[in-house]
Amino acid sequence: EDKVVQSPLSLVVHEGDTVTLNCSYEVTNFRSLLWYKQEKKAPTFLFMLTSSGIEKKSGRLTSILDKKELFSILNITATQTGDSAIYLCAVSLKTSYDKVIFGPGTSLSVIP
Amino acid sequence: KAGVTQTPRYLIKTRGQQVTLSCSPISGHRSVSWYQQTPGQGLQFLFEYFSETQRNKGNFPGRFSGRQFSNSRSEMNVSTLELGDSALYLCASSLVAFATTYNEQFFGPGTRLTVL
Repeated sequence: EDKVVQSPLSLVVHEGDTVTLNCSYEVTNFRSLLWYKQEKKAPTFLFMLTSSGIEKKSGRLTSILDKKELFSILNITATQTGDSAIYLCAVSLKTSYDKVIFGPGTSLSVIP
Repeated sequence: KAGVTQTPRYLIKTRGQQVTLSCSPISGHRSVSWYQQTPGQGLQFLFEYFSETQRNKGNFPGRFSGRQFSNSRSEMNVSTLELGDSALYLCASSLVAFATTYNEQFFGPGTRLTVL
């Protein structure tokens, strides 16, 4: 059965800390891996990764994919209270009917 | 540019009834995807419509259906509602078919459905 696992499930850090969120997957017919940030409203798209080893960067956020070991990390440097959110990892599959599978999310709380 | 809109924002129904939710994508976007979010199951993909055709679908029973109109607006229908259908239903739009090319999805605010 296809699955996406995230760790840790929750995390509390102080402002200025660096955090690394993990996402591993066991799926057939992998197409891409996606990261989202969800605050109190709907998810916001962060990154889509399709190739191993290529880092995606957006400000203080960096993500990388390892297709051999089947995982991805999302790194946030110099965390701010505004980074507090649930970070969702999802994998899209190329099957006869493409679909997207989400992980349970990592709840990040950044305290001043 | 207006974002993704969903109507209604809140809905209360009883078991056995049916419900129709609506999603208007960002102007110019041709793909609409639907998701169900519950505390127990997290975010789950329902289906995606692109150019009025269902392109992708998740593992949901046939009670969940949808359609897309020529103006890219989409509706999702759930028939014979069950208590477990209580959830936040999110739709997301993207320029082209999602998950086949690199492109960003924009989510709407969601419809909170409560089944009593």
